[in-house]
Amino acid sequence: DTGVSQNPRHKITKRGQNVTFRCDPISEHNRLYWYRQTLGQGPEFLTYFQNEAQLEKSRLLSDRFSAERPKGSFSTLEIQRTEQGDSAMYLCASSIRGNEKLFFGSGTQLSVL
Amino acid sequence: KNEVEQSPQNLTAQEGEFITINCSYSVGISALHWLQQHPGGGIVSLFMLSSGKKKHGRLIATINIQEKHSSLHITASHPRDSAVYICAVLPLDFGNEKLTFGTGTRLTIIP
Repeated sequence: DTGVSQNPRHKITKRGQNVTFRCDPISEHNRLYWYRQTLGQGPEFLTYFQNEAQLEKSRLLSDRFSAERPKGSFSTLEIQRTEQGDSAMYLCASSIRGNEKLFFGSGTQLSVL
Repeated sequence: KNEVEQSPQNLTAQEGEFITINCSYSVGISALHWLQQHPGGGIVSLFMLSSGKKKHGRLIATINIQEKHSSLHITASHPRDSAVYICAVLPLDFGNEKLTFGTGTRLTIIP
């Protein structure tokens, strides 16, 4: 499968724990996006990378959230000291600069108890 | 007020019916996406359009830039079309970091 891959698919954690999600984009895609989606809502932008550079972060991304794309390939999204309000689907998408068609992963569903 | 409004929010229809989902937006855009999301979360891009009409199989998407409105049509609907359909707009002069999503239309096709 050469699509966008996200791991894990589901994560259940206790409040206060740290969690990390991984996204592997389509190999030739240099842009990678993270979105968050809560029940009944459309996705909301969190952050994006062009190659290894993090070019923009949403104000939704509090200081408990950090994202990296160290070699311009896969990316990780870490949430520290999780809160119940962090429960959501975290979606990753990738594209090639100059072509705004997005390819999404299946998402990571986070449940904070 | 959301910049992207979809209607209806929920739609239930019998297999074979012609389906129309509408999307209205309030900003100038360079492109509009129609996305399909199945239970479990995965999103598939159906169309990206900036003018006129596109067709793929039983799916047709149209856009009227002047009226800031787009429609997604499904002909001969089938239970496997049951999903949430999301409209997303790309504001002028911006990339996907500014993509603004509607809240989706939940479509259920009954056999």
